Amino acid sequence: SQTIHQWPATLVQPVGSPLSLECTVEGTSNPNLYWYRQAAGRGLQLLFYSVGIGQISSEVPQNLSASRPQDRQFILSSKKLLLSDSGFYLCATGGDRGRSSYNSPLHFGNGTRLTVT
Amino acid sequence: QKEVEQDPGPLSVPEGAIVSLNCTYSNSAFQYFMWYRQYSRKGPELLMYTYSSGNKEDGRFTAQVDKSSKYISLFIRDSQPSDSATYLCAMMRNSGNTPLVFGKGTRLSVIA
Repeated sequence: SQTIHQWPATLVQPVGSPLSLECTVEGTSNPNLYWYRQAAGRGLQLLFYSVGIGQISSEVPQNLSASRPQDRQFILSSKKLLLSDSGFYLCATGGDRGRSSYNSPLHFGNGTRLTVT
Repeated sequence: QKEVEQDPGPLSVPEGAIVSLNCTYSNSAFQYFMWYRQYSRKGPELLMYTYSSGNKEDGRFTAQVDKSSKYISLFIRDSQPSDSATYLCAMMRNSGNTPLVFGKGTRLSVIA
């Protein structure tokens, strides 16, 4: 079965500082990978998804970027954090390039709670 | 109108009660329906996954989809304190790599 690793679990960063959150996946090949943000009262917001190395789709224009340097590694970054970037960031995987996502519902990691001060 | 509506609660029930959690949606193209359970400070965990209308049962959990009414439900029988969590509904269209659309979640507390 697949396992999703996210770190760190919690992070406190000042406004204007850079950000790098890492997600790695085990137990699957060629996965679709996703970054979601969960803010209080707002539900889950899809930020980025990737169907392969170097292939990133952005769902919401914002202060963040994503990269996929390896098949099972997905990184969320920011050059300068804003207060509004605070939230719970979740990495997820579901489906692979040989199958559409509807054949495989999403499975989530345990997230990183980011507080921007 | 939002694509998926879910009452945020909180919902508080005594141990042993039957719990009913619901979502409504507006997009008739949704074909795949999911329920996730999320404990505090953890990622969502997939509970139930159904396709189109009908019922699906797994232990104490039953998922029900009524596409004609655009309404889905999750029933929890003999609720336990360990069921206390936030429950999120999610749904997906029947084509390609389309992203899931989530409800905002209902917070449930089961009191011993």
